[in-house]
Amino acid sequence: DAKTTQPPSMDCAEGRAANLPCNHSTISGNEYVYWYRQIHSQGPQYIIHGLKNNETNEMASLIITEDRKSSTLILPHATLRDTAVYYCIAYAGNNRKLIWGLGTSLAVNP
Amino acid sequence: KAGVTQTPRYLIKTRGQQVTLSCSPISGHRSVSWYQQTPGQGLQFLFEYFSETQRNKGNFPGRFSGRQFSNSRSEMNVSTLELGDSALYLCASSLRMSSATNEKLFFGSGTQLSVL
Repeated sequence: DAKTTQPPSMDCAEGRAANLPCNHSTISGNEYVYWYRQIHSQGPQYIIHGLKNNETNEMASLIITEDRKSSTLILPHATLRDTAVYYCIAYAGNNRKLIWGLGTSLAVNP
Repeated sequence: KAGVTQTPRYLIKTRGQQVTLSCSPISGHRSVSWYQQTPGQGLQFLFEYFSETQRNKGNFPGRFSGRQFSNSRSEMNVSTLELGDSALYLCASSLRMSSATNEKLFFGSGTQLSVL
């Protein structure tokens, strides 16, 4: 399973875009990049995932580099409620033995 | 549609006791996986159950066990509790349609276990 690397913490001003990077240089061809976030004392919540192409949904955008060795999660207009720990993980199919790092703790400041 | 339900939400036990945690997946989901989360370690995979069978297991001692019932509800059991077992225990459910399908996980709010 691909191991991912993320910065431990980031700050963002409310209303600005938050860009969270993730390195996954050992990702396999069939592994998707998933992003989840965890607000204090709750379970992780799915945000978005992608394989090769950039993806966008109502929560965020995902930019994956052409060589697939890194990606960036973009929260276009961060709010205080986006303060959470963001996890980037890579997995394929039914694999549940996932390697979760410590994620990036994002603080959105007023 | 109801989300993943974990009970109890909080639990306090003493060393040497055993504990059983419950997880009810989203209706129609057949896969339940369990994770242990501690502040310094992040989420660690415990095991996954699908169709009442354990499909995968993490690197935890035999004191950690689980099972799944025919209605897909799952329980995990920890025997002879140790102080280091204090953690947030999370379960996640998914459809698990086929090995080729990539699926997102839906997590419950977890059970916070404190061992004194």
